[in-house]
Amino acid sequence: EDKVVQSPLSLVVHEGDTVTLNCSYEVTNFRSLLWYKQEKKAPTFLFMLTSSGIEKKSGRLSSILDKKELFSILNITATQTGDSAVYLCAVGLGRTYKYIFGTGTRLKVLA
Amino acid sequence: EPEVTQTPSHQVTQMGQEVILRCVPISNHLYFYWYRQILGQKVEFLVSFYNNEISEKSEIFDDQFSVERPDGSNFTLKIRSTKLEDSAMYFCASSEGRRALYEQYFGPGTRLTVT
Repeated sequence: EDKVVQSPLSLVVHEGDTVTLNCSYEVTNFRSLLWYKQEKKAPTFLFMLTSSGIEKKSGRLSSILDKKELFSILNITATQTGDSAVYLCAVGLGRTYKYIFGTGTRLKVLA
Repeated sequence: EPEVTQTPSHQVTQMGQEVILRCVPISNHLYFYWYRQILGQKVEFLVSFYNNEISEKSEIFDDQFSVERPDGSNFTLKIRSTKLEDSAMYFCASSEGRRALYEQYFGPGTRLTVT
């Protein structure tokens, strides 16, 4: 069975801290891994990763994929209260239209 | 910036009733999806749709569910006879391309409450 596991399930940090969120996967036919930020409702897209070792970066957020060890990390540096959200990892399967989501990591950033 | 829209934002219905959830995908997108998220649980794939037919569906998407693109802009999810366990947030998403190499844009969701 295809599965995506995120850790930790929840995290509380203070503004200015750096956090690392993990996503590991076991799927039959990996095509891509996506990170989303979900605040109140709709997930909003952060990154799509398809190749190992190539860091994607957007401001204070960055992400990298390791296809050998089957995981990805999402780093957030100098966290702000506006980073408080659930961060979702989804794996896209090859030859399908399906994405498998993890349960998410709930991040709370305290002022 | 183009966005996916969904209506209604919240729907309350009685068990056994039919509901139709509506979505307007981004205009140049060709691939459409429905997901659901039961409160406190993960986002689950329901169905994907392309060229006026279902491309793939999950085991959740049984005979009580159907999807339709009734015109050039709307994409609907119908649940024929709702059950208590259908209570969830339903997200519509669209993408420009197919397979798992294109970003999916999500709508704000419809919260369905079945009483």
